[in-house]
Amino acid sequence: DQQVKQNSPSLSVQEGRISILNCDYTNSMFDYFLWYKKYPAEGPTFLISISSIKDKNEDGRFTVFLNKSAKHLSLHIVPSQPGDSAVYFCAATHMEYGNKLVFGAGTILRVKS
Amino acid sequence: DGGITQSPKYLFRKEGQNVTLSCEQNLNHDAMYWYRQDPGQGLRLIYYSQIVNDFQKGDIAEGYSVSREKKESFPLTVTSAQKNPTAFYLCASSIRGTGPLARVWPQHFGDGTRLSIL
Repeated sequence: DQQVKQNSPSLSVQEGRISILNCDYTNSMFDYFLWYKKYPAEGPTFLISISSIKDKNEDGRFTVFLNKSAKHLSLHIVPSQPGDSAVYFCAATHMEYGNKLVFGAGTILRVKS
Repeated sequence: DGGITQSPKYLFRKEGQNVTLSCEQNLNHDAMYWYRQDPGQGLRLIYYSQIVNDFQKGDIAEGYSVSREKKESFPLTVTSAQKNPTAFYLCASSIRGTGPLARVWPQHFGDGTRLSIL
């Protein structure tokens, strides 16, 4: 039972344009969401997070939007750069879950120059 | 520099052998985690430890064992009971927030160990 789903296995975007990565979840207990970025042969790196008490969180070129009623979140990267090419994982948890994360399958982002 | 070190980067195991993957952190984090990643899948939690001398099973603990004798170290043993051990294994650590610090703290990951069966 996949509680966190990233339905797009890959996404290709032109340099300078916006990249939008999507994530859906089914467990209504989740109240905290994170995005990780992963390069080949390396571990994931934390990118940005959002609590369920907010609907938007911004950090530089990265913005995460949360729609609780739709159980959907998205990561926007503007402008996209070739160095953003990586696998992006969405993860979810809730405070009573003891910081254990449930990950989606990831989306491969390719930014073309 | 503070970080998480996993060794070795590549590991090979013969059928029927146990093998231990190393994970060391110098971030002074209380909590540590082991994940497994298979192609086309997200990370799945094997074991986690919130504090020294204590650990809990994750979602796919069968065929694995861990120990947490020191704060800095959380080795994972892949036993012969694990029927499909070929995978990419990732170790992570985080602050364990309690009391006024109770919140979700991002996990920091090592660069992983790729285990293959000979």
